[in-house]
Amino acid sequence: GAVVSQHPSRVICKSGTSVKIECRSLDFQATTMFWYRQFPKQSLMLMATSNEGSKATYEQGVEKDKFLINHASLTLSTLTVTSAHPEDSSFYICSARDLDHNNEQFFGPGTRLTVL
Amino acid sequence: GENVEQHPSTLSVQEGDSAVIKCTYSDSASNYFPWYKQELGKRPQLIIDIRSNVGEKKDQRIAVTLNKTAKHFSLHITETQPEDSAVYFCAAPTPGDSSYKLIFGSGTRLLVRP
Repeated sequence: GAVVSQHPSRVICKSGTSVKIECRSLDFQATTMFWYRQFPKQSLMLMATSNEGSKATYEQGVEKDKFLINHASLTLSTLTVTSAHPEDSSFYICSARDLDHNNEQFFGPGTRLTVL
Repeated sequence: GENVEQHPSTLSVQEGDSAVIKCTYSDSASNYFPWYKQELGKRPQLIIDIRSNVGEKKDQRIAVTLNKTAKHFSLHITETQPEDSAVYFCAAPTPGDSSYKLIFGSGTRLLVRP
């Protein structure tokens, strides 16, 4: 199957700083990527849909100015958590849709963010 | 938009027994239903999926059934093994959304007792 990487795998930052997370499709082009947040023992909550070459589409209740998404190429989407606070601590997972695999979504390994 | 409900939240079975997890969806136009397995701290992995033009699909010990009339689909795992222990999520796309975004169920924590 297609491979999606995510970097970094873990990050610890101080409150008020910004953190950038990268999501890459390694062996296919992804015009659409998705960003999810997962709190402990909970489901994956879709945050936004990242579209190559255009603005991201955010889900209701997700602050677009706090969670900046950039999808500058067909293989890379980035999520920047701006002015992070302890309540932003979570597991952030991206996925990429592969048109050549029946629109199946392939997930990255996730990034565990801890804000002190 | 689409709403997906999943039951049970936890399921404990003896090794060798079967496990069944059920999901319901709200939008009758949904046409694709994947199931993901997520081990602790790892990414979700697609284990099986079904499209609305069939009622059942099998892959070795795993099967998924779909009832479009009742708007529910189920995951069946037979001859369970300890390595099947994980959290399982069902999902459904939002019909009419060209991005094909998925809405996930709340998850089922499966424990297979040796």
